Parts: sequence; structure tokens; C-alpha cells
Amino acid sequence: QQQVKQSPQSLIVQKGGISIINCAYENTAFDYFPWYQQFPGKGPALLIAIRPDVSEKKEGRFTISFNKSAKQFSLHIMDSQPGDSATYFCAARYAGGTSYGKLTFGQGTILTVHP
Amino acid sequence: SQTIHQWPATLVQPVGSPLSLECTVEGTSNPNLYWYRQAAGRGLQLLFYSVGIGQISSEVPQNLSASRPQDRQFILSSKKLLLSDSGFYLCAWSVREGSPLHFGNGTRLTVT
Repeated sequence: QQQVKQSPQSLIVQKGGISIINCAYENTAFDYFPWYQQFPGKGPALLIAIRPDVSEKKEGRFTISFNKSAKQFSLHIMDSQPGDSATYFCAARYAGGTSYGKLTFGQGTILTVHP
Repeated sequence: SQTIHQWPATLVQPVGSPLSLECTVEGTSNPNLYWYRQAAGRGLQLLFYSVGIGQISSEVPQNLSASRPQDRQFILSSKKLLLSDSGFYLCAWSVREGSPLHFGNGTRLTVT
């Protein structure tokens, strides 16, 4: 059962453009929503994260937009660069019960930024 | 600063052979430790997690097992590998449940 749905599966953007990756969730027990960036042959690295009491968080060129009522959140990469080419995963963390603290991940988006 | 080490980086094993992947964390005490598997083109699946020495929780029934013989050491094992065990295995740690998760660089396992 997939608890976090991520789209698109792949994305091609020109250098300088905006990359947008979307995630949707069903479980209202999630309390923390991180995004991870993974380069080939490496483990995922935490990129940026947001809590549901905030609608937007920005760190440099990376912005998370969060819509609690729609149960959706998205990653925006402004002025996309070839070095941003990687696989991006959204995730959601369980807030309570026996699953407290566990992350469930989306299926990933392969981003390619053309120079 | 904290670092996480996984080895080997790549591994090719025949079907039916045993497996032992090791992960160690430096620079922190009593971390929560996790094993994830990433199949090609798919997301990250949590296999095991541990909140302390000898404490292992399994997330999915499978051909694998995990052990935590020391505070900062986490081992993923199998007695007999299956073709379906091929994948990218990632160890991760966090300070406590709910804190950010930090991944190692993974082991690419190919079962032939």
C-alpha cells in the first residue's frame, strides 16, 4: 500500500527553468515531510523539510509548498542547474503509535537538467 | 561530526550463498539504525530498524535478517540469497525516532 504518491516519475528541464515535483498523501498521522536528493551510486541526502503547520519553506533555490487541506506538498527548484540532475524523493513521517518516527517514501523522480 | 560507513560498495553473489552487509556509525551514541532496500526504479522500502543493541524490528517478511551486536554497528544477513534479493541496500541512522534520517552510500547487491 503506497502511502505517498509522487509525480512525475521523470522530468526534463532546461537550465534556468523551474523544476516542480509533487507528492500527495492520505494518512493524516504524518507530521513531517522531508525531501531527499540522491545522486547515482550514492545514498539519499536530506535536502529540505517542512512541518504541516507551515505552508512554505525556502532554502536557497529550493522551496517546499505544503497544502494541508489537499494533503499535497511539492518541491520547486528555481533556476535549475545541470548539477541538480538527480533522483528526488519525498517522504512523510508517522507521528504516533507503534510507527512513530518511521518514514514512508514516494517512488522518486528522476530530474534531468539540460545545459 | 557524525559519519556512517557501509561496505562493501558493490557485491555479486550466487543464488543460495550467504550474505553479510555491515554498517557502522561514528560520532554519536545510541543511534536509531535502519536498513532500507531500493529496487531499480522504485522507492525506498524499510526492512529493519533498531533502537538499541539487540533490539530489531522487522518491517516486511523476507529472506533477510538484521542484527545489532554493538551500539553503532548494524548488520544485514541472509543464509541463502534469492534472485529477488538483488537491489541497492542502504543503512541509515537518526539521533532518535522522528529526527532527520541520514543515509550511507549503500551497497549494490547483484544475485546471479
